[in-house]
Amino acid sequence: DAGITQSPRYKITETGRQVTLMCHQTWSHSYMFWYRQDLGHGLRLIYYSAAADITDKGEVPDGYVVSRSKTENFPLTLESATRSQTSVYFCASSERVGILNYGYTFGSGTRLTVV
Amino acid sequence: TQLLEQSPQFLSIQEGENLTVYCNSSSVFSSLQWYRQEPGEGPVLLVTVVTGGEVKKLKRLTFQFGDARKDSSLHITAAQPGDTGLYLCAGATSSNTGKLIFGQGTTLQVKP
Repeated sequence: DAGITQSPRYKITETGRQVTLMCHQTWSHSYMFWYRQDLGHGLRLIYYSAAADITDKGEVPDGYVVSRSKTENFPLTLESATRSQTSVYFCASSERVGILNYGYTFGSGTRLTVV
Repeated sequence: TQLLEQSPQFLSIQEGENLTVYCNSSSVFSSLQWYRQEPGEGPVLLVTVVTGGEVKKLKRLTFQFGDARKDSSLHITAAQPGDTGLYLCAGATSSNTGKLIFGQGTTLQVKP
């Protein structure tokens, strides 16, 4: 079934290691987003992309890197993981016409633990 | 910074009761959406409201967009245990960025 797929679902990594979270969507949606979800903070935008090769920072971008060489993929890399980056990470995609936002479709999330 | 404030943050009710969740901001939004999230999954879009004063119904759920497009409400009639979850409102600005601003969420527990 077409959709948005995140991998891995669970990841444990050590402080200082580089880790990449993968996100793949099959609709050719223009927009893709990375959020982290933490208790007490809700969903916070890390990075987003309006199209291939176009990315921009969100609310909490420090310590993260993204790329979007293909429309369908939007990987998120933690360059040197810290314990404060322990969180649940969600990727989302959306299409948009004019000012009307058709809403996000979210992946199932990656639960990342940094020890 | 644009903020969306949801209230209440937590709600625990008995099956069959009615409830309303509020989403408020001082900013104007071009559209507002409601999502529901179940444990271990990503949020799922329930509805999008676009016009000030708009009311949309989805079975026992009624969504309203404020006349000034700064606030919204979600009313559930005769809540059921299957309604349990985290409800999130999200607003789209008119700045053409495609980004949504999310509220903190309302955790609803419906006891049988």
